[in-house]
Amino acid sequence: NAGVTQTPKFRILKIGQSMTLQCTQDMNHNYMYWYRQDPGMGLKLIYYSVGAGITDKGEVPNGYNVSRSTTEDFPLRLELAAPSQTSVYFCASSLDRVTNEQFFGPGTRLTVL
Amino acid sequence: GQNIDQPTEMTATEGAIVQINCTYQTSGFNGLFWYQQHAGEAPTFLSYNVLDGLEEKGRFSSFLSRSKGYSYLLLKELQMKDSASYLCAVGGSYNTDKLIFGTGTRLQVFP
Repeated sequence: NAGVTQTPKFRILKIGQSMTLQCTQDMNHNYMYWYRQDPGMGLKLIYYSVGAGITDKGEVPNGYNVSRSTTEDFPLRLELAAPSQTSVYFCASSLDRVTNEQFFGPGTRLTVL
Repeated sequence: GQNIDQPTEMTATEGAIVQINCTYQTSGFNGLFWYQQHAGEAPTFLSYNVLDGLEEKGRFSSFLSRSKGYSYLLLKELQMKDSASYLCAVGGSYNTDKLIFGTGTRLQVFP
C-alpha cells in the first residue's frame, strides 16, 4: 500500500493564481482531512470529509474548496492565491471515527509570492 | 472555547527520561492523541487515550486525567532519533471527526 500520497511536493504561485492540491489514499478510509501547518505552529484543519459526497468546514476554510467524488481522492482547491496561504499542506485519512488514528501524506510546501 | 497548551521546546540527554505535558480546555472531549513529527516530515500517530490512566507502548507511555484536562507523554531511554516535535491533539466534539492540535513541543536530544 502506498498509504496517503500528495502532489505536488512543492509549488510556487503568484498572487491571484489558482491551483489544486491532489490527495489520494489506497486504504479504503472513509475519513479524509486537509490541514495547513505554518512555521512553528500546530496543524489547522481546513476541510474534512466523512465519505464520498460529504464534506464539511474545519477551522480555517476561507479561500479553499474541496470535493470528494470517490473514496480515494480528496483534492483541495485554492482560488485567488494570497501570501497568507503560504504554508505546508497535509492531507490525512482515518478508518474510523472512534480512535481516529490519522495517516498523513508527505505534505505540499506552497509559497505564494 | 478550544485551547491546548504544550511547552514550546524541551531538551534532554540520550538515555534519559523526558515528560511532555499537555493541558486542554475544549467544548467536548472524545480522546487525546499524541503525534510525532520529525522536521520536514508528516506527523505519525503515537498514542490515543480516552479513559483516565496510563497507556504504555514500548519506550513511550501516555497518561490522561480528564478531570484535570491534562495529559503527558513519557519517553524513556531517549535516543537521538527521538528529536522531533510532539503534537498533542484532542477530539473536541461529540465524535472525533475533528481534532484540535496544539502547537507542538520541539524536543532536542543531545548525546
